[in-house]
Amino acid sequence: EAGVTQSPTHLIKTRGQQATLRCSPISGHTSVYWYQQALGLGLQFLLWYDEGEERNRGNFPPRFSGRQFPNYSSELNVNALELEDSALYLCASSSRRGPFGYTFGSGTRLTVV
Amino acid sequence: TQLLEQSPQFLSIQEGENLTVYCNSSSVFSSLQWYRQEPGEGPVLLVTVVTGGEVKKLKRLTFQFGDARKDSSLHITAAQPGDTGLYLCAGDGGSQGNLIFGKGTKLSVKP
Repeated sequence: EAGVTQSPTHLIKTRGQQATLRCSPISGHTSVYWYQQALGLGLQFLLWYDEGEERNRGNFPPRFSGRQFPNYSSELNVNALELEDSALYLCASSSRRGPFGYTFGSGTRLTVV
Repeated sequence: TQLLEQSPQFLSIQEGENLTVYCNSSSVFSSLQWYRQEPGEGPVLLVTVVTGGEVKKLKRLTFQFGDARKDSSLHITAAQPGDTGLYLCAGDGGSQGNLIFGKGTKLSVKP
């Protein structure tokens, strides 16, 4: 069974540009979660999508947005990039049944210069 | 706001030593999970605890959920270099739908 896949692995952007990150969940998982892992700050919750709808978002500005497609894959868009957006962006999926656990992808390392 | 505090933040020990990592909150969680993350990889789920007072063992790792479901601990017996990594606890945020993560404990086990 294929795990959660994220692309690209690394991304270098210039301040002010836009970045698009992609995530494919485990087959059968309908929920996708995005987290930002910046140095020293742990995993900060960004967005939760389930069945194509945004269900919850964390304390991030509106320039962080995303969507979930009919096949449950998801993309995260970050507009007007700032230097402090440099971080590892992790995507996780779950089936949302019972005490659930996440399966994480390996992440996209975004560097803003 | 639900928060999870992990301690210690860093831990460096010799192979063969025992260690305990703590995860504490003032909030009650319906379940709590432990993950391990290695450099360049995403976190990997180790265990989920659901019932207050529950103890689960995974080889040399022992996980305990506090009676009041506000805290948890991870105990490693006879640590090995392969145990090196970032250990994260995460609580079920309930109606929020997402997991809430602690900042992690960075463990280094030297041979």
